[in-house]
Amino acid sequence: NAGVTQTPKFQVLKTGQSMTLQCAQDMNHEYMSWYRQDPGMGLRLIHYSVGAGITDQGEVPNGYNVSRSTTEDFPLRLLSAAPSQTSVYFCASSRQVFNEKLFFGSGTQLSVL
Amino acid sequence: AQSVTQPDIHITVSEGASLELRCNYSYGATPYLFWYVQSPGQGLQLLLKYFSGDTLVQGIKGFEAEFKRSQSSFNLRKPSVHWSDAAEYFCAVGTGNQFYFGTGTSLTVIP
Repeated sequence: NAGVTQTPKFQVLKTGQSMTLQCAQDMNHEYMSWYRQDPGMGLRLIHYSVGAGITDQGEVPNGYNVSRSTTEDFPLRLLSAAPSQTSVYFCASSRQVFNEKLFFGSGTQLSVL
Repeated sequence: AQSVTQPDIHITVSEGASLELRCNYSYGATPYLFWYVQSPGQGLQLLLKYFSGDTLVQGIKGFEAEFKRSQSSFNLRKPSVHWSDAAEYFCAVGTGNQFYFGTGTSLTVIP
């Protein structure tokens, strides 16, 4: 099993550029989510999805868009990157929501100049 | 609002010594509690979880945690630390459709 796959692993953007972070899971998980990890702040939830076609906001959704057209994929879009979005991003999935463990991808390190 | 507090930013222990990492949570009902570990450059891996029942839960790699409702705590323990345990540890609360993570405790193990 590949588990949760995130691409790219590293990315450098200029302010104002757009990009999409990819996340795919092959475990048929209903729940998928995106977190950002910043020093001293732990992981903060950006957006999550409880199934195909259903998404919702987490703690820090501003500046990010998501969609869930299939069970497997949950891309995160930055429409106009800002330096404040420099962070490490993790995608995570679980079979259900709060009574199941999260499976994490290996992360995407994003720098916005 | 739900919150998770890990009061220790960084802990250093000698190999073979015991370890306790603290976690306090704020939530109105009995939460779903988790401990995750993150090795450098990696994603998070589940160590253990508590949903209900026995308040002392066993996890992987010899870790255990005790849920104390009266103290709103879920501290992680290990009797004898190994050098490979050096990592960052996160406590998390699962509630509704969201997980809330603490800010993490970085563990250094001295040979």
